[in-house]
Amino acid sequence: ETGVTQTPRHLVMGMTNKKSLKCEQHLGHNAMYWYKQSAKKPLELMFVYSLEERVENNSVPSRFSPECPNSSHLFLHLHTLQPEDSALYLCASSQGTGRTANTEAFFGQGTRLTVV
Amino acid sequence: AQSVTQPDIHITVSEGASLELRCNYSYGATPYLFWYVQSPGQGLQLLLKYFSGDTLVQGIKGFEAEFKRSQSSFNLRKPSVHWSDAAEYFCAVAPSGGYNKLIFGAGTRLAVHP
Repeated sequence: ETGVTQTPRHLVMGMTNKKSLKCEQHLGHNAMYWYKQSAKKPLELMFVYSLEERVENNSVPSRFSPECPNSSHLFLHLHTLQPEDSALYLCASSQGTGRTANTEAFFGQGTRLTVV
Repeated sequence: AQSVTQPDIHITVSEGASLELRCNYSYGATPYLFWYVQSPGQGLQLLLKYFSGDTLVQGIKGFEAEFKRSQSSFNLRKPSVHWSDAAEYFCAVAPSGGYNKLIFGAGTRLAVHP
């Protein structure tokens, strides 16, 4: 398998549920990202992990909790979400840390989340 | 603040016609620039990128884009559109070096008439 793989592709959860989104990259990259894509809003960066350390947290509510156990895997743990959290959640990876040359981000197909 | 503007929310063209999608950015230095395409229910696929050098860059699927520093623009073009090009197109910027923290425009939805 190659590229960036996200599971599940679709998820419906109640507001009191706890669920996790999974992302796996097979590109040997050292940075991974979570983006949120809502209707009528631009893609928003949520979290960045570089070399398995969280380096960006763009004022995301604590009901979203990321985890990066190794450079190939990224999780987004969800609990007590709100209906407005319904969106497409996209994972991406790239190669580049510090002042080394950057490369483009490769995206997974996303998880379509519906909070009911 | 860093930002990306795509002035056109929707564009409709006839198959075989030429296409230009506009993108303007606001950034303190010369950023890295990208165009991504998203088909319904799918993730984002990179069309092309500009890091440095030649300001006219070629991408996949017959797309090209031109970086114009004086206009802070990075417009996407294709000489002849195919029905399969119907999708949403996103322009994005990222800081040069380091990890790829993308800032996206709102997107332009392209419809193609037969």
